[in-house]
Amino acid sequence: NAGVTQTPKFRILKIGQSMTLQCTQDMNHNYMYWYRQDPGMGLKLIYYSVGAGITDKGEVPNGYNVSRSTTEDFPLRLELAAPSQTSVYFCASSTTGGRTEAFFGQGTRLTVV
Amino acid sequence: DQQVKQNSPSLSVQEGRISILNCDYTNSMFDYFLWYKKYPAEGPTFLISISSIKDKNEDGRFTVFLNKSAKHLSLHIVPSQPGDSAVYFCAASDPSGTYKYIFGTGTRLKVLA
Repeated sequence: NAGVTQTPKFRILKIGQSMTLQCTQDMNHNYMYWYRQDPGMGLKLIYYSVGAGITDKGEVPNGYNVSRSTTEDFPLRLELAAPSQTSVYFCASSTTGGRTEAFFGQGTRLTVV
Repeated sequence: DQQVKQNSPSLSVQEGRISILNCDYTNSMFDYFLWYKKYPAEGPTFLISISSIKDKNEDGRFTVFLNKSAKHLSLHIVPSQPGDSAVYFCAASDPSGTYKYIFGTGTRLKVLA
C-alpha cells in the first residue's frame, strides 16, 4: 500500500516557467489537500478537494491551480513561477476530512530562481 | 491571523524525561485537534488526536490534554526517547464544515541522549 505519492521530490524552476506537481493516493480517500511549508512556518493550505470534480481555494491559492478528475489524482499546477513559490509542497488525503487523520506524501522541494 | 499557535519554536529534553509541547487556539468553535510528527525530508505523520468532548486522550507514551476554557492543548511524551526528536505540529479541524486542517507553526523537539 503506497499511500500518498508525490512526484517529483525536488525541482528547480526558473522564474516564469510552469510545472505540475503530481499527487496520487491509493486509499480511495475522497478528501485531498495541497499544503506548502515555508521555513519556520506551519503548513498553509493552498487548495483542497472533497471529491472528484470538486475543488476549492485554501489560504494561499494565488499562483496555483488544481484539478480533480479522478479520486486518486490531485495535481497542482504552478503557472509563471515566482521566487515567492520557493517552498516545500505536501499533498495529503483523508477519508472524511478534518475529523480523521490525514495522510501526507513525502513532499516536493521546489526552488524558483 | 494565526488561529493555531505554537509559541515555542524549539524544546530540548533529556532522554527519559517528560516532553511537554503546547498549542493555543483562538477559535472556540474548534472541536477536534490533531498532533503530527515530522522528520526531516519526510511528510508529517499522524500521532494522536482529541475531540472536544474529552479532556484527555492517551496512546502509549503520548498523551494529549485539552483545556477548552483556556483554548489550550498540550502533548506529553513520557518517557522521551532520542527517536522522538522531530518537529511536532498541532492542528485543528475547521468547524465550518469545509473539512480543512489548520496547522500551527510547529515545535522542534530535541531529545538528548
